Amino acid sequence: GDSVTQMEGPVTLSEEAFLTINCTYTATGYPSLFWYVQYPGEGLQLLLKATKADDKGSNKGFEATYRKETTSFHLEKGSVQVSDSAVYFCALHASGGYNKLIFGAGTRLAVHP
Amino acid sequence: NAGVTQTPKFQVLKTGQSMTLQCAQDMNHEYMSWYRQDPGMGLRLIHYSVGAGITDQGEVPNGYNVSRSTTEDFPLRLLSAAPSQTSVYFCASSPDRNYGYTFGSGTRLTVV
Repeated sequence: GDSVTQMEGPVTLSEEAFLTINCTYTATGYPSLFWYVQYPGEGLQLLLKATKADDKGSNKGFEATYRKETTSFHLEKGSVQVSDSAVYFCALHASGGYNKLIFGAGTRLAVHP
Repeated sequence: NAGVTQTPKFQVLKTGQSMTLQCAQDMNHEYMSWYRQDPGMGLRLIHYSVGAGITDQGEVPNGYNVSRSTTEDFPLRLLSAAPSQTSVYFCASSPDRNYGYTFGSGTRLTVV
């Protein structure tokens, strides 16, 4: 079945460091891909998305490119801030008749001043 | 717009009790889903719906029932609560598969 695999955390960085969180997926057809962020004690918020191969999603300095050849959707940010500390979830919405949003396990990011 | 509203925010149940977690959205979204979030396990899909009158099972449906009589509401029923159902439950909705889901703020459920 469809699945999403994320790098295990926690990821600990200093402020202004470069961030990469790896995400790979397994799916039939052409899924849509998403990154969500969850701040402590809150629900999930959509961070960015890409709906077809080679699309780049971006928001708040974060970027991710839909790579069908490597089935990946890695999250990057050039300079993280303390306020970026949160849990990040990669997710896919399957194509065809499978109308389900499936999540990876999440990666906790801690940014220190 | 209120978005996705979940009630209650917190609930403690005794083993064997039943209850309904409420979820309502005012965005006229066709897709709605219920997830549970447990430490280290991400979000697991319980049940989902692609429109009024249409529901289907996700990864972990046992012990839960859903119905979708209107576009706005998607309640989740726990039939006979068990300690293994202690979790944080999230409801989410979306207009289509490419848009992304809007999540509620969650219900923290403890079963003792």
